[in-house]
Amino acid sequence: GQNIDQPTEMTATEGAIVQINCTYQTSGFNGLFWYQQHAGEAPTFLSYNVLDGLEEKGRFSSFLSRSKGYSYLLLKELQMKDSASYLCAVLDYGQNFVFGPGTRLSVLP
Amino acid sequence: DAGITQSPRHKVTETGTPVTLRCHQTENHRYMYWYRQDPGHGLRLIHYSYGVKDTDKGEVSDGYSVSRSKTEDFLLTLESATSSQTSVYFCAISEPSLGKPTNEKLFFGSGTQLSVL
Repeated sequence: GQNIDQPTEMTATEGAIVQINCTYQTSGFNGLFWYQQHAGEAPTFLSYNVLDGLEEKGRFSSFLSRSKGYSYLLLKELQMKDSASYLCAVLDYGQNFVFGPGTRLSVLP
Repeated sequence: DAGITQSPRHKVTETGTPVTLRCHQTENHRYMYWYRQDPGHGLRLIHYSYGVKDTDKGEVSDGYSVSRSKTEDFLLTLESATSSQTSVYFCAISEPSLGKPTNEKLFFGSGTQLSVL
């Protein structure tokens, strides 16, 4: 079966660093994606990993370990505008994207 | 930004009535998807299409049908709407990158808020 887990909610302080974890068990694997979704809006693409290791893009980094079925999204120098839901998704062999339930991040001043 | 338009943006309907949601893209992407998003469940795939007249079921396809007669349009129909189909519906598109490291991100439409009373 397909299963992706993420924490439901997280809270962090402006300027801090936060790590959002994602574990997955899927029938196939063609890559792991992170999306950001502000309340009432559509998800937008943040990052992509297909090989093990860290991908850095500005304040955001994403890590993947395929052997452990594990990824994390690291957000540095948190800003108020980073308050949003963060969705982990796996692209399986059928060109299907399987999504986790999302992690709602609240950034406090 | 990818050119994806969903219509309507908001819809209120009554139980038992048919409802059709439209997704239109200007990117000529081959793959199109319909997802629903509900609290606690995240995004769940209803149906997807990999070309004109080529569609397949997703995780939560019961009570839904789709059609794709043109590359740019993907229609989602609720045959007889039920209260359990009250949700936010998102259309998305993607294009496989053949022969290159995969970078097949999804682009989403703005969503349709559907309420079935």
